[in-house]
Amino acid sequence: EDQVTQSPEALRLQEGESSSLNCSYTVSGLRGLFWYRQDPGKGPEFLFTLYSAGEEKEKERLKATLTKKESFLHITAPKPEDSATYLCAVRHNDMRFGAGTRLTVKP
Amino acid sequence: NAGVTQTPKFQVLKTGQSMTLQCAQDMNHEYMSWYRQDPGMGLRLIHYSVGAGITDQGEVPNGYNVSRSTTEDFPLRLLSAAPSQTSVYFCASSSPRDRGTGELFFGEGSRLTVL
Repeated sequence: EDQVTQSPEALRLQEGESSSLNCSYTVSGLRGLFWYRQDPGKGPEFLFTLYSAGEEKEKERLKATLTKKESFLHITAPKPEDSATYLCAVRHNDMRFGAGTRLTVKP
Repeated sequence: NAGVTQTPKFQVLKTGQSMTLQCAQDMNHEYMSWYRQDPGMGLRLIHYSVGAGITDQGEVPNGYNVSRSTTEDFPLRLLSAAPSQTSVYFCASSSPRDRGTGELFFGEGSRLTVL
């Protein structure tokens, strides 16, 4: 069965303190790994798609990387506006989401 | 652009009552889906549709019905509400191209409480 595990569940950073979020997965025949951002009271918003090990995608202070078993979302010099829950998902037949990492960035 | 619109945003039901969560999109997307989001469990797929007249079950379909009579609308019906259906429900849509890249467009959610 496809599984997605995200860690940590919650992460508190000071503004400017870089860190990484982890998404480990088990799926047969990966057809994409996806990162979404979700603000409180809102629906998830698409960030990145990664298809193969070694692939990287960047957007502003975020960089997503992929290996055969996990993906990392690196946050460089975060700002308070980066505070959100970050969701990881994989697709075999349909999308399977992880529970998310709730990121708080303090000024 | 309205995107994906869900109504109502909040609803309280008593056990055994039925109701319909509405979802409408104005992007001419063929694919539409319903997810529920519970603390610590992530988003779970309830039902989905790849076009008008076509629906299929997701991971957690029991207790829910859907229909797709138009491209724009994809209502989710709770037949006899149970406390276990207390959750936040999200509707999402995408085009075939967006679905290939994994980009789903989500509504803002409907928070349902069943007493």
